[in-house]
Amino acid sequence: EAQVTQNPRYLITVTGKKLTVTCSQNMNHEYMSWYRQDPGLGLRQIYYSMNVEATDKGDVPEGYKVSRKEKRNFPLILESPSPNQTSLYFCASSLRTSTGTQYFGPGTRLLVL
Amino acid sequence: AQTVTQSQPEMSVQEAETVTLSCTYDTSESDYYLFWYKQPPSRQMILVIRQEAYKQQNATENRFSVNFQKAAKSFSLKISDSQLGDAAMYFCAYRTFMEYGNKLVFGAGTILRVKS
Repeated sequence: EAQVTQNPRYLITVTGKKLTVTCSQNMNHEYMSWYRQDPGLGLRQIYYSMNVEATDKGDVPEGYKVSRKEKRNFPLILESPSPNQTSLYFCASSLRTSTGTQYFGPGTRLLVL
Repeated sequence: AQTVTQSQPEMSVQEAETVTLSCTYDTSESDYYLFWYKQPPSRQMILVIRQEAYKQQNATENRFSVNFQKAAKSFSLKISDSQLGDAAMYFCAYRTFMEYGNKLVFGAGTILRVKS
């Protein structure tokens, strides 16, 4: 089954404790992206990757890091989480072509105390 | 930069009736894609319908259809014969047509409540 998986699905942590949210897709997609969803703001792009070893900032990259060492994986790293990073996070992937429909993961709900 | 505006934070509809959700966007591009996504309580993002800007014909998917007005930069979603399972948050989204432009720009969302 074609899918995007994220782990963990729920996470409660404390300020400053490094964490990683994993994202994996099994569709051989070149393009992967992270979004955060906040009330009244919709989803906003954090980082994206056009292919292995090719990543770039989205609209709200502060406080986040990513890496793309393998085509299927695109982890999101919060090195020193703060309460304003409490949010719902989505990973998405698609083919690089202009018609590529984006597939979303199930979301990760993060609470930073 | 492109922006997407959904001016209705919440809407209600009676089961079996029709409801229209509004979306406007701002762009200087002539070719692009527009989408409606549904987010039920499970939080999963589900693609409802998509429209290519170069197509004049409005997209339709079963009970879901759009009214795409390119000159007015308007992209509304009509849900016919509303069902309880349609209750969800709906997001309007824009994507550039260019090859590298896979980023989706989302509106703030509209919560749709369906009354039985």
